[in-house]
Amino acid sequence: SQQGEEDPQALSIQEGENATMNCSYKTSINNLQWYRQNSGRGLVHLILIRSNEREKHSGRLRVTLDTSKKSSSLLITASRAADTASYFCATDGYNTDKLIFGTGTRLQVFP
Amino acid sequence: EAGVTQSPTHLIKTRGQQVTLRCSPISGHTSVYWYQQALGLGLQFLLWYDEGEERNRGNFPPRFSGRQFPNYSSELNVNALELEDSALYLCASSFNTNTEAFFGQGTRLTVV
Repeated sequence: SQQGEEDPQALSIQEGENATMNCSYKTSINNLQWYRQNSGRGLVHLILIRSNEREKHSGRLRVTLDTSKKSSSLLITASRAADTASYFCATDGYNTDKLIFGTGTRLQVFP
Repeated sequence: EAGVTQSPTHLIKTRGQQVTLRCSPISGHTSVYWYQQALGLGLQFLLWYDEGEERNRGNFPPRFSGRQFPNYSSELNVNALELEDSALYLCASSFNTNTEAFFGQGTRLTVV
């Protein structure tokens, strides 16, 4: 079963706008990771945030983590057409130590 | 430095056949994960190997199996292929369970 669920399932925006994707999970975690997948190929790692961290930045990406709500968000600022992809969150649980992925958000950025 | 490599890239098999997929992790990584991604869907956890041993497996039938070799490369075997096994099979490696996992480009398996 999926540990995480992303919301929304799909998002369409114009270039230059910000895109926010949310991820909710069920059990306590060691860390949470965000990945991007283009055209059904391999996943590209974006950011890892540990359970004792609340916010992390990487370029135009900002990730927040709220362990009390068991949720995370990924913000892409000033989006570009090249950001068009599916975005997944993945959690590494305390008791499982396996990396479980959410259902993904399909982001479409129109030029 | 080479990333995670998977072979073959594409594969077409007939229902009932067996298939072996291969994965070479990033040098120094001892953990290897396998995932199945059916068309348009999320990733389903299949197997996790670390230091040559199976550490965890997902909710898949026993005809999905694998192994990890002393050089940390891994194979995924699927016996008695069914049409619904058609999917992208992704392999990922990591240094340990608390670090980033890096993915290969996947093997696209089509069962006809």
